[in-house]
Amino acid sequence: AQKVTQAQTEISVVEKEDVTLDCVYETRDTTYYLFWYKQPPSGELVFLIRRNSFDEQNEISGRYSWNFQKSTSSFNFTITASQVVDSAVYFCALSVPNTGNQFYFGTGTSLTVIP
Amino acid sequence: EAQVTQNPRYLITVTGKKLTVTCSQNMNHEYMSWYRQDPGLGLRQIYYSMNVEVTDKGDVPEGYKVSRKEKRNFPLILESPSPNQTSLYFCASSMGRYGTQYFGPGTRLLVL
Repeated sequence: AQKVTQAQTEISVVEKEDVTLDCVYETRDTTYYLFWYKQPPSGELVFLIRRNSFDEQNEISGRYSWNFQKSTSSFNFTITASQVVDSAVYFCALSVPNTGNQFYFGTGTSLTVIP
Repeated sequence: EAQVTQNPRYLITVTGKKLTVTCSQNMNHEYMSWYRQDPGLGLRQIYYSMNVEVTDKGDVPEGYKVSRKEKRNFPLILESPSPNQTSLYFCASSMGRYGTQYFGPGTRLLVL
């Protein structure tokens, strides 16, 4: 069975602090994809990143970085020098093509950045 | 502009009154999907479609129907809505089973 766990329900940080959002996934398949999406207060879902299971290189995009570790089945997301505009709900998701490409989402982490 | 559109964006209805939420994408994507989002539960997949005339159940298909007669459209049908289907619904599409899903703006449904 596939599952994504985001244990942090809500996080509050003060502006300019760094924050890490945790994501732990479960799958027996060797081929899978991991995603992060952002849902700002306006409600839309914004794609942030996609990684496949064969690429464990960490990725950095501006203030955002992602740490993919197969050994711990984790795909954590770090925001450096947080800003108020980062306030949103962040979802981690897993896709396993061999199961028909169902998507499995975590329950989300609500991040509030306090000015 | 590449996009996924949903209509209506907001809908209030009563128990048992059939409704359809439309979803359309202009990116020529094969894969389309419907989700519902509920507080504390994240997004749960209702149905998905790998291509025209090919649909399959997700995690929470009960009470919903879909059809895929054209590549660009994937309507969600609630034949007899009930209050437990009050939720925020998202449609998504991607280029094939390995692609990144792009989401529509969401449809907020209230069933009284």
